[in-house]
Amino acid sequence: SYELTQPLSMSVALGQTARITCGGNNIRSKNVHWYQQRPGQAPVVVIYRDDNRPSGIPERFSGSNSGNTATLTISRAQAGDEADYYCQVWDSNTVVFGGGTRLTVL
Amino acid sequence: EVQLVESGGGLVQPGGSLRLSCAASGFAVRSNYMSWVRQAPGKGLEWVSIIYSGGSTYYADSVKGRFTISRDNSKNALYLQIHSLRADDTAMYYCTSLTGQFLEWLWIDYWGQGTLVTVSS
Repeated sequence: SYELTQPLSMSVALGQTARITCGGNNIRSKNVHWYQQRPGQAPVVVIYRDDNRPSGIPERFSGSNSGNTATLTISRAQAGDEADYYCQVWDSNTVVFGGGTRLTVL
Repeated sequence: EVQLVESGGGLVQPGGSLRLSCAASGFAVRSNYMSWVRQAPGKGLEWVSIIYSGGSTYYADSVKGRFTISRDNSKNALYLQIHSLRADDTAMYYCTSLTGQFLEWLWIDYWGQGTLVTVSS
């Protein structure tokens, strides 16, 4: 089964750029989606198909996918960006999630 | 407006059964890919099961043989029948709908607020 690896946690200073990685074997061949989950809330998609932003998601959120690593980039980090972030791909009739990254905004 | 509202969670003893329901509005369940995702307390997201618009169903290895996903097109509802519950099934269970032009593109565009299942004696 396909596996996705994310750092457990990371921190970013207010106003700086956070880059959250998602590793997988030749992940470049897959479509990667990213979800944000704030405490006590259901997840929300922030990036779909590698680098597409749903309506209502700030331009500060962007995505890329190359080689064995996909990356969610959050520019000009705000306090409201503090949350858990999950990457997701589709593999052999299953939805696969990464383990999640807790982002702390300092 | 799309809405997914789960119900049916609660406290159940190990070995027991439960049926989770998800009432959908704003779209037709029969026309969409629908899935259940769970999240144990303090843990990450875990995909559980999916039902295709054509009716095919698939399960995570951890629940295969114990969980059954189904839908009722007349009620526009999704269900998850759970048997032989174990302590590690304790989680918030989310009803979700997926979108994408091709299978390989599928992502979750809508989530319910979840229903909590607690397995304990």
